[in-house]
Amino acid sequence: KQEVTQIPAALSVPEGENLVLNCSFTDSAIYNLQWFRQDPGKGLTSLLLIQSSQREQTSGRLNASLDKSSGRSTLYIAASQPGDSATYLCAAPMDSNYQLIWGAGTKLIIKP
Amino acid sequence: DGGITQSPKYLFRKEGQNVTLSCEQNLNHDAMYWYRQDPGQGLRLIYYSQIVNDFQKGDIAEGYSVSREKKESFPLTVTSAQKNPTAFYLCASRKKSSGNTIYFGEGSWLTVV
Repeated sequence: KQEVTQIPAALSVPEGENLVLNCSFTDSAIYNLQWFRQDPGKGLTSLLLIQSSQREQTSGRLNASLDKSSGRSTLYIAASQPGDSATYLCAAPMDSNYQLIWGAGTKLIIKP
Repeated sequence: DGGITQSPKYLFRKEGQNVTLSCEQNLNHDAMYWYRQDPGQGLRLIYYSQIVNDFQKGDIAEGYSVSREKKESFPLTVTSAQKNPTAFYLCASRKKSSGNTIYFGEGSWLTVV
């Protein structure tokens, strides 16, 4: 059964630093992998979606990579800002019904 | 503007009561989903629907019920059989074609009093 793990559970860095968030999965037979952002008490916002045939996707200061052979995806945030503070979640659908398997998230705090 | 609307934002339930959470989308999406989120845990799937008048149980369907009478609407009822209903509930939808991302509503907080 697919398991998705995000380590660390929390991360605090000074403003301006580049940082990497990690997402590991146990079964490489994923359709795609998605990264989401969640602000406290809010719904989730999709950040990036990487198809299983792709290696990476970029949007602004965000870059997500996917390595199916190692069961790992990373979200790179360049030049971090206090507004980037949020919980970041990754998820992967395992079948055509699109049932997503979720990580527990990494809570990111960017200190001014 | 297109999007997913969940209501109410906050709901309090007494022991033994059924409550219904509303989810409406105007994105013309085929599939709709209900998730439950507890602190420090990943999202868990309650029910999902791929098409009108059809839905399937997710991982934690016990104590919940849904209906999909219209494409735009996917209400979730939390029944008295759900023993620990206090949680944050998220509704989502997706266009049924390969690779499309999933969109979420703003969520509903349910508290048992």
